[in-house]
Amino acid sequence: AQSVTQLDSQVPVFEEAPVELRCNYSSSVSVYLFWYVQYPNQGLQLLLKYLSGSTLVKGINGFEAEFNKSQTSFHLRKPSVHISDTAEYFCAVRAAGTALIFGKGTTLSVSS
Amino acid sequence: SAVISQKPSRDICQRGTSLTIQCQVDSQVTMMFWYRQQPGQSLTLIATANQGSEATYESGFVIDKFPISRPNLTFSTLTVSNMSPEDSSIYLCSVGGQLSYEQYFGPGTRLTVT
Repeated sequence: AQSVTQLDSQVPVFEEAPVELRCNYSSSVSVYLFWYVQYPNQGLQLLLKYLSGSTLVKGINGFEAEFNKSQTSFHLRKPSVHISDTAEYFCAVRAAGTALIFGKGTTLSVSS
Repeated sequence: SAVISQKPSRDICQRGTSLTIQCQVDSQVTMMFWYRQQPGQSLTLIATANQGSEATYESGFVIDKFPISRPNLTFSTLTVSNMSPEDSSIYLCSVGGQLSYEQYFGPGTRLTVT
């Protein structure tokens, strides 16, 4: 079985500051890794995914994530955040033939 | 990609009653999943429903409370039985391939139990 741990439940930052949202996973088999964003009262939106190959993956809205197999981590980063990035962020993992398993989420709050 | 529709989009129900949520996909899919997102929480997998076999429920979810049907490769239903206010959530249908990484989500059904 797979599991996901998002290490920070809330991350407050100021506008234009860098941010990192941390995610660790556990699995006995190879998995695909994902980050989703959910704006208030909206559905899930896929930010980026890691399937294989380069460990640094770029997504939408200037976000990127780095897959670290030895540390079983998939941290999300953005060099300069905007007010509009305020949302809930979910890390998720999926093994072939199984369902996506989500972490508990990180609330990113960007203030001016 | 797969386009998923759910009915109803939202409902307000009284405690003790049951609600059946329908999920329709525009193409044949092997795997269908049902998730719950309680207010302010993450998505929790309820069960996996593959056509031709009994649904597989995750820990904490039982068939008597959340019976699922999967009559064909494009349709599934989830029933929330004997509802209580704690069942107030968004219920999401999702589909994925057996061998692919892709998983798609429906728009969700927002359920409020009073």
